Amino acid sequence: KQEVTQIPAALSVPEGENLVLNCSFTDSAIYNLQWFRQDPGKGLTSLLLIQSSQREQTSGRLNASLDKSSGRSTLYIAASQPGDSATYLCAGLGGAQKLVFGQGTRLTINP
Amino acid sequence: EAGVVQSPRYKIIEKKQPVAFWCNPISGHNTLYWYLQNLGQGPELLIRYENEEAVDDSQLPKDRFSAERLKGVDSTLKIQPAELGDSAVYLCASSWDSMNTEAFFGQGTRLTVV
Repeated sequence: KQEVTQIPAALSVPEGENLVLNCSFTDSAIYNLQWFRQDPGKGLTSLLLIQSSQREQTSGRLNASLDKSSGRSTLYIAASQPGDSATYLCAGLGGAQKLVFGQGTRLTINP
Repeated sequence: EAGVVQSPRYKIIEKKQPVAFWCNPISGHNTLYWYLQNLGQGPELLIRYENEEAVDDSQLPKDRFSAERLKGVDSTLKIQPAELGDSAVYLCASSWDSMNTEAFFGQGTRLTVV
């Protein structure tokens, strides 16, 4: 059974810093891993999708990596801005063909 | 391109009353998911459809929850009767298929049972 863990649960950093969010998963036989952003009271916005054959994906200031052998993914945010404040969720798609989510990391960027 | 559309956005009902949520997925997406999200938690799968077939409903509490996806497009999720513990956000998502494609989520329906 796939289990996904995100650490830390909350993170607060000053504006302009580069930061890394962590995601670990127990089943290395995943098809892909997806990172989402969720603003308070809103749905999930897809940020990046990494296929199992890929090691990383980039979109603007975001870079996500995937290491299946260690069961880890990271989301790197460069030059953070107050507008980046949100909850970030990772989800792995495994053999059961369903997205299994972590608990999320609540990120606050302080001006 | 329109995203996943859910309605209503908010619903407040008394316990033991029925409630229904509606989802219109992105056009052409064959896979549709319903997820439940409790406050401060990640979403958890309730049911997955491939076209009109429910292929994974193992986490759906079938004594009070039901779902349908007529003609493999729109879907409804129903709770009857609702309990206080059902208060949560119900999210709908869709993707081209359930293997290697990106999933897109709607805004969710926030249910409050009083």
